[in-house]
This record gives sequence, structure tokens and C-alpha cells, in this order.
Amino acid sequence: AQSVTQPDIHITVSEGASLELRCNYSYGATPYLFWYVQSPGQGLQLLLKYFSGDTLVQGIKGFEAEFKRSQSSFNLRKPSVHWSDAAEYFCAVGAWGGGNKLTFGTGTQLKVEL
Amino acid sequence: EAQVTQNPRYLITVTGKKLTVTCSQNMNHEYMSWYRQDPGLGLRQIYYSMNVEVTDKGDVPEGYKVSRKEKRNFPLILESPSPNQTSLYFCASKGEMNTEAFFGQGTRLTVV
Repeated sequence: AQSVTQPDIHITVSEGASLELRCNYSYGATPYLFWYVQSPGQGLQLLLKYFSGDTLVQGIKGFEAEFKRSQSSFNLRKPSVHWSDAAEYFCAVGAWGGGNKLTFGTGTQLKVEL
Repeated sequence: EAQVTQNPRYLITVTGKKLTVTCSQNMNHEYMSWYRQDPGLGLRQIYYSMNVEVTDKGDVPEGYKVSRKEKRNFPLILESPSPNQTSLYFCASKGEMNTEAFFGQGTRLTVV
């Protein structure tokens, strides 16, 4: 069974500082990986996805993530955080077999200090 | 515009009173699913459907029912809601293999 670990429940960064949110996954085959963002009171917005190919993927809002198979990781990064990036971030691994299930991590709450 | 629509967005109900949360997608997706989101637990899958008349349990199906009579609709039914089903619910749909899932805006349910 697949699983996702987001070890940081809360992270606080200053506006303009760089950001890295950690994500580790467990899956028996090549994973499909996603990062979603949820602003307060809002639904889930897809930031970026990895299916295959280049292990460094670019997403919306200036975010990127790097798939590292040897470390089973898919960390999310942004060079310079904006106050509007304050939200909850979810990493997810997809299994498009019989269950077609997305398994989510428990989320990382990002706070941005002005 | 491609979208997944859930209704209602907010619902407060009493224990034991049957309710249905509707979900509709306009992308002709075969795959649909329901998730619940609880603090500290992330999103957990309740039920999913691979196509019309094909449904199966996810990780937390107890207390829920679903149906898939039409491709576009996938309602979530709580026959006898209990307070532990107070949660934020998301419907999702997905197309072909190498594509992402699209989520609805969520339904915040409170059972008192």
C-alpha cells in the first residue's frame, strides 16, 4: 500500500525567504506524485505533478519540486515566498491501478511572516 | 469550464437525519471519488467509482453510501449521520491514466 509522509506540520518563513516543504512517499512501483495547496476556506488547487521524465518539475505560482527516487522524496521548493503563499500544502501519491487512489500526506501549514 | 461541482457547500444537520451531498463533473471522466479531510489526518478516500454502476470502498467507507447511475454524477449518502462524520468532504474526478484529479470546492458538514 502506498503512503506519504510530510514530516513538518507547521513551517514559518519570512516573506522573501526560500522555502522547502518535505515529502517522502512509499510505493512499490513508479509513483505519480502531486502537490496541492489549500488556502483557508478553499478547495484544493494543483501546484504541480510528476508522472515521468525530467525529475525537476515546474508548477504554478513559482513553485517547483524534484523527484528523487533514491530518497523516495518529492520536496516542494520556492526561491522567494510571498505573503499570499500562506496556506496548507499537501503532497500526494497516485496509484492508477485498480484503486485509482490518491493517498495524501497529513499536510504542512505554512505561515509567512511579513 | 471544466469543473467538479459539489452541493451544498455548507450543511449543519442533526444525528440520524439522512442527507445527500451531490457531486457532478462536466469532463466526461470515468473515475470519481469521495474524500474526507480532518485536521492532522489529511484527506482519506471514502468511496470511488471506476465507471457507471461500478463502485468500491476506499479507506474509510463506514457510515457512507454512494451510487453511480450516470457518468457525470456521484452522490455521497449518509443514511444516519453521526457527529464523528463532521468533516470537510471533497469529490474528485479523473480522466485517463496520466492525468491529475480535479477536485470540487468541498462541503463542510457538521452533525450535531
